[in-house]
Amino acid sequence: DIQMTQSPSSLSASVGDRVTITCRASQSINTYLNWYQQKPGKAPEVLIFSSSSLQSGVPSRFIGSGSGTDFTLIISSLQPEDFATYYCQQTYSTPLTFGGGTKVEIK
Amino acid sequence: EVLLVESGGGLVQPGGSLRLSCAASGFSVNDYSVNWVRQAPGKGLEWISYIRGGSDTTFYADSVKGRFTISRHTAKESVYLQMNSLRADDTAVYFCARANFITTTAAYYFDSWGQGTLVTVSS
Repeated sequence: DIQMTQSPSSLSASVGDRVTITCRASQSINTYLNWYQQKPGKAPEVLIFSSSSLQSGVPSRFIGSGSGTDFTLIISSLQPEDFATYYCQQTYSTPLTFGGGTKVEIK
Repeated sequence: EVLLVESGGGLVQPGGSLRLSCAASGFSVNDYSVNWVRQAPGKGLEWISYIRGGSDTTFYADSVKGRFTISRHTAKESVYLQMNSLRADDTAVYFCARANFITTTAAYYFDSWGQGTLVTVSS
């Protein structure tokens, strides 16, 4: 199984900050990496697929990059509605594993 | 509009069974892969199963293999998760999610999710 490791597990930031979340795969997954946002009590929503493709309707402040084993999600200017938990997911092979999540909290 | 609605969750004793349903609208469950993902209280997301669109191909996480069965009823536009031999560590919110597959790039991601249904395994 491919293990997905996210860091940090949590962070505190202010509105307007640039936030960086990383995700590392235990083996190469090419660019088969997705990012999801989940707010409390809600289902996750896809932000980025295939490492860097922005899902329709998602603000352009969300930027994904990476290939192979190392990936990054950047929120270029944090907005109040961005406080949530973020998960990476690999779809290179089954089981389709998720990272442990990064909780973005208000500073 | 694509919509997924889960039902069938509840309280069940260890060793018991439960069948979850995922009712789809706005698309055909025969045309898309549908996945089940669960989230234990206060924990992260765990993918547990999928059924491939247009075929009977299924996959399971090791944690549920042999105990859970995913199936599809095309006429009812529904996907089911039969859960047997339930254990306390199966306690979670269970989400169904539609997978979008882009053939030109092999991109595969969950583009629509249900609201989830809570399964509690306890005596």
